Amino acid sequence: GAVVSQHPSRVICKSGTSVKIECRSLDFQATTMFWYRQFPKQSLMLMATSNEGSKATYEQGVEKDKFLINHASLTLSTLTVTSAHPEDSSFYICSADDLGNEQFFGPGTRLTVL
Amino acid sequence: KNQVEQSPQSLIILEGKNCTLQCNYTVSPFSNLRWYKQDTGRGPVSLTIMTFSENTKSNGRYTATLDADTKQSSLHITASQLSDSASYICVVNTGNQFYFGTGTSLTVIP
Repeated sequence: GAVVSQHPSRVICKSGTSVKIECRSLDFQATTMFWYRQFPKQSLMLMATSNEGSKATYEQGVEKDKFLINHASLTLSTLTVTSAHPEDSSFYICSADDLGNEQFFGPGTRLTVL
Repeated sequence: KNQVEQSPQSLIILEGKNCTLQCNYTVSPFSNLRWYKQDTGRGPVSLTIMTFSENTKSNGRYTATLDADTKQSSLHITASQLSDSASYICVVNTGNQFYFGTGTSLTVIP
């Protein structure tokens, strides 16, 4: 099946710094990628939908200036958490859409902000 | 309103026992329904996909059913193993949008 990778898998940073997370579709082109956040023992929460070559669509309550999304190519989307704070500590997961049939999920990135 | 509800929220069973997880949805239109397994600290992995015309589909010890008339799906796990401990997520696809259930947390104990 299709493979989606994320990098890094784990990151620890100081409060106030910015962190970039990459999501890549390795063997297929994804015009649409999704970014999720998941807190411990909770379900996935969709943050934004990333479309190649256009601005991302953010879910209600998600600050677009804090969570910058760039979908520069058909195989790469990036999420940058700007000026990260401890409350941003979470598990961030991306998924890529193969033309609307299925979402393939990345392995996730554990962000810890000190 | 398009919704996907899963039950139970959490479940603890003894190793070797069977269990059934439920997914009820109000999503329309319907394209397909997937069950995902998410291990702690990992991304979700697809178990089965059900289309409108399919009533049941098996993947090893996992068997999914779909009743498109009542908009219900179930995931039956047979002879559970410790490695089945995970969250199980039901996702309904309209064809251009995905709706996620809140998941069922399954714990299999020895």
